[in-house]
Order: sequence, then C-alpha cells, then structure tokens
Amino acid sequence: DTGVSQNPRHKITKRGQNVTFRCDPISEHNRLYWYRQTLGQGPEFLTYFQNEAQLEKSRLLSDRFSAERPKGSFSTLEIQRTEQGDSAMYLCASSLYPFGPNTEAFFGQGTRLTVV
Amino acid sequence: AQKVTQAQTEISVVEKEDVTLDCVYETRDTTYYLFWYKQPPSGELVFLIRRNSFDEQNEISGRYSWNFQKSTSSFNFTITASQVVDSAVYFCALIGTGNYQLIWGAGTKLIIKP
Repeated sequence: DTGVSQNPRHKITKRGQNVTFRCDPISEHNRLYWYRQTLGQGPEFLTYFQNEAQLEKSRLLSDRFSAERPKGSFSTLEIQRTEQGDSAMYLCASSLYPFGPNTEAFFGQGTRLTVV
Repeated sequence: AQKVTQAQTEISVVEKEDVTLDCVYETRDTTYYLFWYKQPPSGELVFLIRRNSFDEQNEISGRYSWNFQKSTSSFNFTITASQVVDSAVYFCALIGTGNYQLIWGAGTKLIIKP
C-alpha cells in the first residue's frame, strides 16, 4: 500500500466550471475525511465517511459541494459552479475507527485547486 | 469546545540553533490525543507524533522532542540543532473522543537559514 492517493495534484479551472477530485485511501481504513486548507491556515474539516456512509458535513460545505464514497473505498469530491473563493488545497485523509491510541490519520498529498 | 492555539505564526532561526514551537489546547474530553504534523513546501502533511492524554512522558526522537504538560494544556515541540531541511509549516492538532475529528492549530512557519 502506497498510502493515501489524491488525483489530480493540481487543477486550474475557470470560474463557473465543475471540478471533481478523487481520493484513494489506505485499503483497510474505514474512515475517510476531506479537509480544505487555504494559505496560512490549518486544514478545515469538510466532511467524513465511515465506510460508504457520510456521517458529518461541515457548514463550510455549501450546496455546491458534494462528496461520495460509493463502495466504501475511494471517494470523490465535486464542486459545482466553482468560485474564486474555492481556490485552496483539498486534502484527503483516512484512518481506522474505532479510534485508538495507535490510530493515525494518514494524509494524501492534496489537490491544489486554482479558480481563475 | 475544542481549540488548538499556535501563537507563533512564523519563526526564523539560523541553522544549528534550537527552536521550540508552542501549542496550547482546550478540550473538555478526559481522553484525547495530540498530534504534530509537518507540512513541507511540497504540501503533504507528514505525521510526526501522537500523544494520548494519559501519557505525560516527554518523548525524544533524534533531534525532535516533545513536552506534554496537562497542567498548562500545552504540547510543545523542540528541534535541537536545526537544519535547513526542517523548514516547513508545523501543525499541532487535537482529537477528542467526543467527535473523533482532528482540530487543527493555524500552524507555525519555521524558517531555518543556512
């Protein structure tokens, strides 16, 4: 297993276009998280899945954002009608739940979105 | 409410100096976990350490050491004999057993000058 994989690494899109990002977690991890990170800030929680169920969504996740994890493996994050404020690094992480003293959240390298 | 505060936004030192990054946290959970992550310019987040709330032993790993003090709700990170490759943004994070979400500090940008 090579860790959490995110594609694409970089995406430049015009305002108003739709974009989709993919995250492949570590295979045995049942939890998958999406975060957004803007310059100079720590990651902000967007949503997370336990297997295929989306258990929580942040208020940051507007109606233009949707995330899926259809088979409990990979996940996609779609942004519709992108706005310049959506420009950020989108990070995916995976972990095992229940969370125990040895559990870590493993992060992907992120997808950097630039909306022009 | 849970919160992590990294008051130092940027630290700049000359190579080989020791440097300490501060982290102060707030949580009502009695069981929680604290983390430090490194984010180099490449952007990925690299796990450095996890500490649970019941283990206040300080830890040393090579040039890195961590000082966890529950009395002051602090989990500080020290790099001894810093190197240019240590230049990165360092994040402190907390996860409580209440919601199992990582709560992040704003990060400290560390610049090591040759």
